[in-house]
This record gives sequence, C-alpha cells and structure tokens, in this order.
Amino acid sequence: NAGVTQTPKFQVLKTGQSMTLQCAQDMNHNSMYWYRQDPGMGLRLIYYSASEGTTDKGEVPNGYNVSRLNKREFSLRLESAAPSQTSVYFCASSEVREPTGRGYTFGSGTRLTVV
Amino acid sequence: AQSVTQPDIHITVSEGASLELRCNYSYGATPYLFWYVQSPGQGLQLLLKYFSGDTLVQGIKGFEAEFKRSQSSFNLRKPSVHWSDAAEYFCAVGQTGANNLFFGTGTRLTVIP
Repeated sequence: NAGVTQTPKFQVLKTGQSMTLQCAQDMNHNSMYWYRQDPGMGLRLIYYSASEGTTDKGEVPNGYNVSRLNKREFSLRLESAAPSQTSVYFCASSEVREPTGRGYTFGSGTRLTVV
Repeated sequence: AQSVTQPDIHITVSEGASLELRCNYSYGATPYLFWYVQSPGQGLQLLLKYFSGDTLVQGIKGFEAEFKRSQSSFNLRKPSVHWSDAAEYFCAVGQTGANNLFFGTGTRLTVIP
C-alpha cells in the first residue's frame, strides 16, 4: 500500500546511546518532515526537507540530525540520546513545499523511550 | 507568531449525539487549515482542509468544518457521532510558502454508548 513507512515502531535506548529512525515514502512526494509528539504539546517540527538534497531546522532541532538520502528516504538520527527525547516520532510527506494540495501523509510513528 | 489553540482537552459525547470541536488560530496572513484524526497507536489521518472558497468544508467520515475569519476559528462538526469516532483530533494551520504546519495540542474524544 502506498504511504509512509517508519521503522522501528518501538525502541528503548539508554542515555547516551545513538540510533537512527528510518522513514520512506512511495508517493513520489517532494517534501518530508519529522515531528515529535508529546502529551499536551501536540506535534512539533524537528526537521524538514523541502526537496531532495535540502534539509532545514524546525521548531525543536537540538539533539537531532537528519539525512535526505534520496527522494524516498528521510532519516532522523539521535547522536546521544537523552531522557528528554522520550517521545513518539512521526515522519510525514507532502507533494509540494507549501501546505497545499492534499496535506501531509503521516507514518504510523516510532515510540522511543530513553532510560 | 502563528499558533493554534484547541481549548478542549477532552470531550465526552453519547453515540448519536452531535459533536463540535473547537479550533482557534492566530496567523498574520490567510491561513490554510486542517483537521487530522489520530486513532490509538496510529499516525494522523487527514479529515479535511480549507484553502480558499466555500467556508464550509466537507471531509471524510461525515465530518465538516467551518472557517470563520472574523472569529479566527475553524471548528469541526459531526451531526451524529459513532463509537468508531473515538480518537484524538488535531487542528493545524499552515501558510503559503511556509515549510511547516503548526498543530494544536489536540482534543481527545470519548464516545459512550
């Protein structure tokens, strides 16, 4: 089925460990996004990639890095995990840079716990 | 700065009753407005969106929303709620040329039989 695929779905890390969250979309979308969702705070943008080869910081980029590997894939890396990064992470994609067209398509999320 | 407010954290309605979820936004320019729904353990699914034109927008699953510029609101409505509508609902706002959607904090809907 067409959509956004995130891996892994669940992960537990120890403080200081590193990991990469993977995201791939098969809709030929140009733009991709990483959000984190925390209780009572809605979704906040970490990083986005308006098009292949470009990445930019969002609202809460500290402690994260991203790579737009190709048009399909956009990964999020935690170099040294901290308990404050415990969250649910969502990847999303959209056809165009502006929020026009058909809105965002979201993946099913990665639930990350840092202990 | 742009912001989205969903004043109701949690709403409980009886199955078959009508529903209205509130959303207020603060934005300098003409906004693009969205409602998304999130079922437990799932990602967000687009219910409907407003870009321009008719201020009453129809979406999936029998939902509709009305854009009221004078009130800076984009409230979501459904005339008769089904048990399967129990979920969390997010309002979001964007702007042409921007690279981000700003999300509200969400409203959790409980449906009682």
